[in-house]
Parts: sequence; structure tokens; C-alpha cells
Amino acid sequence: DAGVIQSPRHEVTEMGQEVTLRCKPISGHDYLFWYRQTMMRGLELLIYFNNNVPIDDSGMPEDRFSAKMPNASFSTLKIQPSEPRDSAVYFCASKGTSAETQYFGPGTRLLVL
Amino acid sequence: GESVGLHLPTLSVQEGDNSIINCAYSNSASDYFIWYKQESGKGPQFIIDIRSNMDKRQGQRVTVLLNKTVKHLSLQIAATQPGDSAVYFCAEKVGGSYIPTFGRGTSLIVHP
Repeated sequence: DAGVIQSPRHEVTEMGQEVTLRCKPISGHDYLFWYRQTMMRGLELLIYFNNNVPIDDSGMPEDRFSAKMPNASFSTLKIQPSEPRDSAVYFCASKGTSAETQYFGPGTRLLVL
Repeated sequence: GESVGLHLPTLSVQEGDNSIINCAYSNSASDYFIWYKQESGKGPQFIIDIRSNMDKRQGQRVTVLLNKTVKHLSLQIAATQPGDSAVYFCAEKVGGSYIPTFGRGTSLIVHP
């Protein structure tokens, strides 16, 4: 089992640029979660999908953030335009319907200069 | 314990010692609890879980204890090894919700 796959693993960009983070959930999992982790705020839920449909995006910081899930095996989190305060580690996680446990990917470490 | 500020609480132990990591959860309606381990540069990894109808659950070298009266959760690691060095998070979830609430984490450092 490949686990949750995220790309890129590291991203360094300049303020104002568009950033796209990608996630492939575990096959068969129908829930997908995007989290952001910082020292200041810990692990924060940004948005989650069920069967490719966004269910709760109340954690998305502002309109600069958007997420899509065009199919069961792929999701993106986009930041446009990026700002230095967006620097964080972004995690994708997935779980199956009957399971309680979320499985996390390795994360994307984003640095916005 | 849980962190309030910028710095994670840290527990330093010697290899071979038993470790106890504590967590105070916030919602008395929470009925499911999870411990995650996060190694440097990696995502959180599930260790063990417990439901609110239990007080104790054991895994391989790990035991989770739940005290609902004082809303306290602990993770005990037996014979701690250097590979156990990581940040440990507790998470709580209310029945019917798909979203756990994560604590701030405790850093465990195991000295050889």
C-alpha cells in the first residue's frame, strides 16, 4: 500500500506567486482532508471532502485558498496569491467510510519568501 | 501535557525507561480518542485509539489510559527506544463527527 502521496514535498516560492499542492489519497478511501501545521497554531483542518464533494471548508483562511477534488484519486490545494504567512507544512489525509482513523501523507513544506 | 504557547512541552527519557505522555482534552462529549506519532519531516502516524466506554487499551509497547472524570488521556510507552523520539499528539472526536480535534503535542526525546 503506497499510503497517501503528496507532491511536491518542498516548495519555495515568492510572495504573490500561485502555489498548487497535490494529494493522492489511499485507494478506496472516500474522505480526504487538508490540514496546515505551524508552530503557532498546531494542526488545523482547512477543508475536507467526502466522495469528491467539499463538505466543510470553514477552516480555509481566506479567498486566496481553494481546494478541488476532481476525482477519487486526486485533490489539489491552491494558494493564489501566496503570502509569507502561508509558510507552513500542509498535510493531506484520507480515511475510509467505516474507519475512524485518518492516514496522513508526508506533507508539503511551503516557504513563501 | 498540552502546549499553550509557542513551545511544545518536552519529555526527555533514557533508553529503556518507560515514558508517560499526558493530554487534557476539552470536550466532555468526546467519545473517541487517538494518539498520533509525528517524526521529524513526516506526517502524523496513528499509534493507538480508545473509545470512551473503555478505560485502558494496550498495544505493542504502548498503553492508552482514559480518565473521563477529569478529561485526561495518557500514552504509556514501555522500554522507550531512540526510535520513539517524536512529537506525540492526542486527538479527540465527538460521535457523529468526522473531524478530530488535535492537541498541540508533546515532544519525546529518548537519549541512548
